[in-house]
Amino acid sequence: GAVVSQHPSRVICKSGTSVKIECRSLDFQATTMFWYRQFPKKSLMLMATSNEGSKATYEQGVEKDKFLINHASLTLSTLTVTSAHPEDSSFYICSASAPGSWDNEQYFGPGTRLTVT
Amino acid sequence: AQSVTQLDSQVPVFEEAPVELRCNYSSSVSVYLFWYVQYPNQGLQLLLKYLSGSTLVESINGFEAEFNKSQTSFHLRKPSVHISDTAEYFCAVSDNTGGFKTIFGAGTRLFVKA
Repeated sequence: GAVVSQHPSRVICKSGTSVKIECRSLDFQATTMFWYRQFPKKSLMLMATSNEGSKATYEQGVEKDKFLINHASLTLSTLTVTSAHPEDSSFYICSASAPGSWDNEQYFGPGTRLTVT
Repeated sequence: AQSVTQLDSQVPVFEEAPVELRCNYSSSVSVYLFWYVQYPNQGLQLLLKYLSGSTLVESINGFEAEFNKSQTSFHLRKPSVHISDTAEYFCAVSDNTGGFKTIFGAGTRLFVKA
């Protein structure tokens, strides 16, 4: 089956620094990847849709200059949280749709827990 | 635009009892419907999905869900739960026009007690 990995699984950083999270599709090429944020005991909030070779499409209310998304290849998308603050602490999850997929099934990475101190 | 409502935030149930997790959706277009499961500190895994055809869909581990268009529901059921079914369950909807955008419900925490 389609496998999506994320790195790192956990990261702790100081306020004001930037953190990069990688999302990789391991056994398929993903033209579209999604980034979600999950608050404790809450649902997934779609942050942005990442398309290979083009600019990401951000959801309303998500700061594009704070959450930089790069989808440089068909197997890798990165999310960089710039000038992180404690309120950015969250569980970040990426997902990918397989090419040719017509049913919108998404394959999820295991998530990255970010803690900003 | 689509929206998803999961009516129960938590469902405690004893082992081997039946369970139903409720999900209602709204959409102005035809949709695909999904149930995902999330175990602690993990990503989401697809449990089952409805695309078209038979309104009753089943997973390999005994869950089933029925698409009810008139009631705009996609409730998840299992006749006999196990301790290992304890997890967060998310109902999700996406339109079938190729946009790939998926909207998730708030989740239901299923807690199976011995």
